[in-house]
Amino acid sequence: GEDVEQSLFLSVREGDSSVINCTYTDSSSTYLYWYKQEPGAGLQLLTYIFSNMDMKQDQRLTVLLNKKDKHLSLRIADTQTGDSAIYFCAGRDTGTASKLTFGTGTRLQVTL
Amino acid sequence: SAVISQKPSRDICQRGTSLTIQCQVDSQVTMMFWYRQQPGQSLTLIATANQGSEATYESGFVIDKFPISRPNLTFSTLTVSNMSPEDSSIYLCSVRADTQYFGPGTRLTVL
Repeated sequence: GEDVEQSLFLSVREGDSSVINCTYTDSSSTYLYWYKQEPGAGLQLLTYIFSNMDMKQDQRLTVLLNKKDKHLSLRIADTQTGDSAIYFCAGRDTGTASKLTFGTGTRLQVTL
Repeated sequence: SAVISQKPSRDICQRGTSLTIQCQVDSQVTMMFWYRQQPGQSLTLIATANQGSEATYESGFVIDKFPISRPNLTFSTLTVSNMSPEDSSIYLCSVRADTQYFGPGTRLTVL
């Protein structure tokens, strides 16, 4: 099965950029997702990228995909205290019954 | 997009009892899933809820422990049977529409 790895913790100052990294082992992952989980809440879909793309930008969020290195990153510009949460990357292939494989999650702490 | 609601949002249950969690989607979807998130952990897929047929369970999960119903394309239930403290987790319903969405989760504590 696929392994998806993330660093456990990231601390940034308000106003700075945050970069959350994810590495995966399965090169057949076609869809790669970023989800946000605030304390006590479910998962909020932030953005996703297809494997034929290198970059996707959506307001303050930029996703970069390096297929050669199997590396995915999420950059949050102008990080705010409301961005404090756990961020999960997840991947899946194109099969209709294919499941998401989640990373371990990165806890982002935003300090004043 | 898809908007998912779950009931209950949280519950505290006694060992040996069962709890049924409901998942309702605001549109018809083919693919519906149930995930578990143990305390401080990532998400693990329990099963795919198939409409009109038995659910497809992942390794380590069995129907007797986690029976699932999927009577139509907008609704599913997951039952956690004969609970023990190790079942304390967040249980999340998920659907695949244009992309994959998750419900708000049901936080279960077993005493």
